[in-house]
Amino acid sequence: RKEVEQDPGPFNVPEGATVAFNCTYSNSASQSFFWYRQDCRKEPKLLMSVYSSGNEDGRFTAQLNRASQYISLLIRDSKLSDSATYLCVVNPTDSWGKLQFGAGTQVVVTP
Amino acid sequence: NAGVTQTPKFQVLKTGQSMTLQCAQDMNHNSMYWYRQDPGMGLRLIYYSASEGTTDKGEVPNGYNVSRLNKREFSLRLESAAPSQTSVYFCASTRDRAASSYKSPLHFGNGTRLTVT
Repeated sequence: RKEVEQDPGPFNVPEGATVAFNCTYSNSASQSFFWYRQDCRKEPKLLMSVYSSGNEDGRFTAQLNRASQYISLLIRDSKLSDSATYLCVVNPTDSWGKLQFGAGTQVVVTP
Repeated sequence: NAGVTQTPKFQVLKTGQSMTLQCAQDMNHNSMYWYRQDPGMGLRLIYYSASEGTTDKGEVPNGYNVSRLNKREFSLRLESAAPSQTSVYFCASTRDRAASSYKSPLHFGNGTRLTVT
């Protein structure tokens, strides 16, 4: 079983619609969580950190559910430029400096 | 600022050849990392360097060596390339020693696409 699992997608989303997807993690002791965005054939870039109480950054909302061990990302009013692969990143407290990456969820926003 | 710079961008090797991937950051970051990314898998850590003068193995270190030449530079060497090392390699850095810090996210270079035939 992978330590961080994501639905690979693709999630095909009409422009202007809302899309949401989850990421599950296996280490219940994990303390910090992130969403990274990776465009095709580019490097990952930090989209947002995920805080315990949930947080929002413009059209993006991230939630953490510790009881069920998953984080989620919701994108509202999708833009064509949101088309990318979204990587879930988890840091287990017992593995210093060794982040765990999900394989990514692909989102395709269509006109 | 250039951020994290990797060279080369592309490389094709024959089995058994050696090469060094170069990485440099100009953000005065303390920690640096080498990852590989394969289709259908998350990024996997090969080696990391918490600070100048230290290196540690990550999840998939076999077949690789690293050198933290100074605070700016962290190189990855393949001594005898194998087809299983065909991958996209990313160098990354963080300001703080602990990558878990919310104030110290990973900054990635733009990657090296390596093919071993």
